[in-house]
Amino acid sequence: AQSVTQLDSHVSVSEGTPVLLRCNYSSSYSPSLFWYVQHPNKGLQLLLKYTSAATLVKGINGFEAEFKKSETSFHLTKPSAHMSDAAEYFCVVSDLRSSNTGKLIFGQGTTLQVKP
Amino acid sequence: DTGVSQDPRHKITKRGQNVTFRCDPISEHNRLYWYRQTLGQGPEFLTYFQNEAQLEKSRLLSDRFSAERPKGSFSTLEIQRTEQGDSAMYLCASSFGSQETQYFGPGTRLLVL
Repeated sequence: AQSVTQLDSHVSVSEGTPVLLRCNYSSSYSPSLFWYVQHPNKGLQLLLKYTSAATLVKGINGFEAEFKKSETSFHLTKPSAHMSDAAEYFCVVSDLRSSNTGKLIFGQGTTLQVKP
Repeated sequence: DTGVSQDPRHKITKRGQNVTFRCDPISEHNRLYWYRQTLGQGPEFLTYFQNEAQLEKSRLLSDRFSAERPKGSFSTLEIQRTEQGDSAMYLCASSFGSQETQYFGPGTRLLVL
């Protein structure tokens, strides 16, 4: 069965400094992995996805993530945080390849705080 | 704007009442998913439709919950005899074919008093 673990429930950075949100996954299949962002009172928005192509995935708003099979990790990074990045971030795995349902399995979320 | 819409956006009800939520997916999407998100948690899968067929239901979906997708277009999620533990955000998402990217609606926030 697939699962994801977000290693930090809360991350605080200063504006202009790098962001690192950590995620480890567990999957018996070659996984499809995603990062979604949820701003207060707004819907979930896809930041980026990995589907077995390039291991370094670039997403929207300057975010990127690197798939490391040896470490079973899919950490999200951004070189320079902006105030508008403050939100809840979810690491997600899809079960499409194992069950054909395609349901998404979410991590617990990481709250990113950006200080001026 | 993802194109998935949900109605209502907010619902306050008294314990024991029935509620129904609606989801309109992106028009060409044949897959539709319902998730539930409680405070401080990630969304959890409830049920999945491919066209009009409900193909999977989570153990979270008790017999008080029922979902439909007539004609493979919009979907409804009904909760009968609501309980305070049903208070949550109910999210709908849709996708096309075997593509794994799901597009989410804004959600319906339910509060059961």
